Amino acid sequence: RKEVEQDPGPFNVPEGATVAFNCTYSNSASQSFFWYRQDCRKEPKLLMSVYSSGNEDGRFTAQLNRASQYISLLIRDSKLSDSATYLCVVDDGGSYIPTFGRGTSLIVHP
Amino acid sequence: EPEVTQTPSHQVTQMGQEVILRCVPISNHLYFYWYRQILGQKVEFLVSFYNNEISEKSEIFDDQFSVERPDGSNFTLKIRSTKLEDSAMYFCASQSRGQETQYFGPGTRLLVL
Repeated sequence: RKEVEQDPGPFNVPEGATVAFNCTYSNSASQSFFWYRQDCRKEPKLLMSVYSSGNEDGRFTAQLNRASQYISLLIRDSKLSDSATYLCVVDDGGSYIPTFGRGTSLIVHP
Repeated sequence: EPEVTQTPSHQVTQMGQEVILRCVPISNHLYFYWYRQILGQKVEFLVSFYNNEISEKSEIFDDQFSVERPDGSNFTLKIRSTKLEDSAMYFCASQSRGQETQYFGPGTRLLVL
């Protein structure tokens, strides 16, 4: 069974903090990796794709570790508006069937 | 900014009834998807659709489910003979060729009584 595992949290951090989430995946053939953000009772929205070389978008940095089969998301200088659930998404390595993790909840407080 | 729309936003139905969930994808997108999210659980892929046919489907997408693109704009998910466990949020998503980003609609919350 192909699994995507995330620590559900919640991660409760003050504004300005740096916080990191990991996500492990079981399918070594997976090729595409993403982080999505989901606000309460809303639809998922793509935050960023995760590339082998790592990638950065403003305060957000994503990394892929194929050897250990995990991806990470680092958020610097947390804002109140970063409070959400962060979903890890991994493809199945063959045809594109995405597997979502259950998400990590982040709460940023003043 | 163009967006995916879904109707209805909420649907309540009796067990055993059929429901049709509707989606209008972004107009120049070619790939369409349905997902569901049971309350408190993870988002689950149901089906992908391209060139007027199903390209992939998950184990969840059994004979109870069907999809259709009846015209140039709508993309529908039909659930026949609904069960209590079909209660969930159903998200439609669309994607353009060559792009990684899937744009999700706001979802339809289905409650089966």
